[in-house]
Amino acid sequence: GENVEQHPSTLSVQEGDSAVIKCTYSDSASNYFPWYKQELGKRPQLIIDIRSNVGEKKDQRIAVTLNKTAKHFSLHITETQPEDSAVYFCAASINDYKLSFGAGTTVTVRA
Amino acid sequence: NAGVMQNPRHLVRRRGQEARLRCSPMKGHSHVYWYRQLPEEGLKFMVYLQKENIIDESGMPKERFSAEFPKEGPSILRIQQVVRGDSAAYFCASTNPGTANEKLFFGSGTQLSVL
Repeated sequence: GENVEQHPSTLSVQEGDSAVIKCTYSDSASNYFPWYKQELGKRPQLIIDIRSNVGEKKDQRIAVTLNKTAKHFSLHITETQPEDSAVYFCAASINDYKLSFGAGTTVTVRA
Repeated sequence: NAGVMQNPRHLVRRRGQEARLRCSPMKGHSHVYWYRQLPEEGLKFMVYLQKENIIDESGMPKERFSAEFPKEGPSILRIQQVVRGDSAAYFCASTNPGTANEKLFFGSGTQLSVL
């Protein structure tokens, strides 16, 4: 099955700086890569996703890049704010429902 | 639009008891997915159901766990004879296949604690 590795496990950034989270996947057939944000005790919320026919996607301060050859994808958060503090999960899938999640990155934005 | 509704939010059971977790999909959605999240880990796929049919249960333990999505009413994830290792957050999501680029939006989850 698909195996997703996520790094780093924790990330502390100064408010206003950028945060980058990287993930690798094992199954070259995977073609859907969503990112979820989860605040403590709450549901995972989809923040951005990318499909394999696209190399980069941006939504305001959030961007995701995908390198299919190297089988890795990254989340970039620019101009970080305190409300960006949360656990972020990457995922990969060959369809839209059977997602394989990374172990998560705890992001802390220091004021 | 109430989204995916799960109840209860918190469920406490003693070892050996049964746990029943309920999930009502978003209005108009006919497919339901259950995921489990252990502490400090990502979500893991358990089962995919449509009404009255299990599509994919490859992530669900073969024993003690079962899931259903009847013609009427919510989807139920049932865990018999719970053990401490079943303690986790169980999340449900729903979709309406046939719509292009379906995405999974999760409910608020049920936190199961086994004493």
